[in-house]
Amino acid sequence: GQSLEQPSEVTAVEGAIVQINCTYQTSGFYGLSWYQQHDGGAPTFLSYNGLDGLEETGRFSSFLSRSDSYGYLLLQELQMKDSASYFCAVRDGVNTGFQKLVFGTGTRLLVSP
Amino acid sequence: GAGVSQSPSNKVTEKGKDVELRCDPISGHTALYWYRQSLGQGLEFLIYFQGNSAPDKSGLPSDRFSAERTGGSVSTLTIQRTQQEDSAVYLCASSLRGKPSGGGGTDTQYFGPGTRLTVL
Repeated sequence: GQSLEQPSEVTAVEGAIVQINCTYQTSGFYGLSWYQQHDGGAPTFLSYNGLDGLEETGRFSSFLSRSDSYGYLLLQELQMKDSASYFCAVRDGVNTGFQKLVFGTGTRLLVSP
Repeated sequence: GAGVSQSPSNKVTEKGKDVELRCDPISGHTALYWYRQSLGQGLEFLIYFQGNSAPDKSGLPSDRFSAERTGGSVSTLTIQRTQQEDSAVYLCASSLRGKPSGGGGTDTQYFGPGTRLTVL
């Protein structure tokens, strides 16, 4: 089976940097994705790591270490609009051959002025 | 269309009734997924369609749940004899393809706004 662990909540102030960690256990692994979901909204894709290392997209970066089964999402220059839930998701395609996403329970980020 | 659409946005039903939830994927996307999200929880995979292949139903919680996808486009998720524990937001997602591509491009999943189901 698969399981992912994330902190349930993180708080930070505007302009700060915050890191949201994700550890996973999977029977197969095809990469780690991050999704953002505002209250009442749909999850939206943020980033994907298929290989070890850092991927940077504007203020957001994501890191993966496959040997440690660990990744993180780094948000810089925090803005109030970044207050949302952030989900890590593992692609598991070993048994089914397709990209089923298994999601963590999410980290609620609260950004204060 | 411009994005994934779902209808209705909200559905309130009585225990024991059947409900149908609709998903319109992005035009040209061959893969379609249904997920369920309970309040404050992560997303739970339900079912996956890829082109004309047989769907993967491994996530359906019981035989009261079924889904179909007509013409490789619109999908309907049906819940029969609804129970209170079925109350959740049902999310649909589509991707250009469902197979690993080695990158985050063609298999990135795009989600619809969801249908909030409340079973009284």
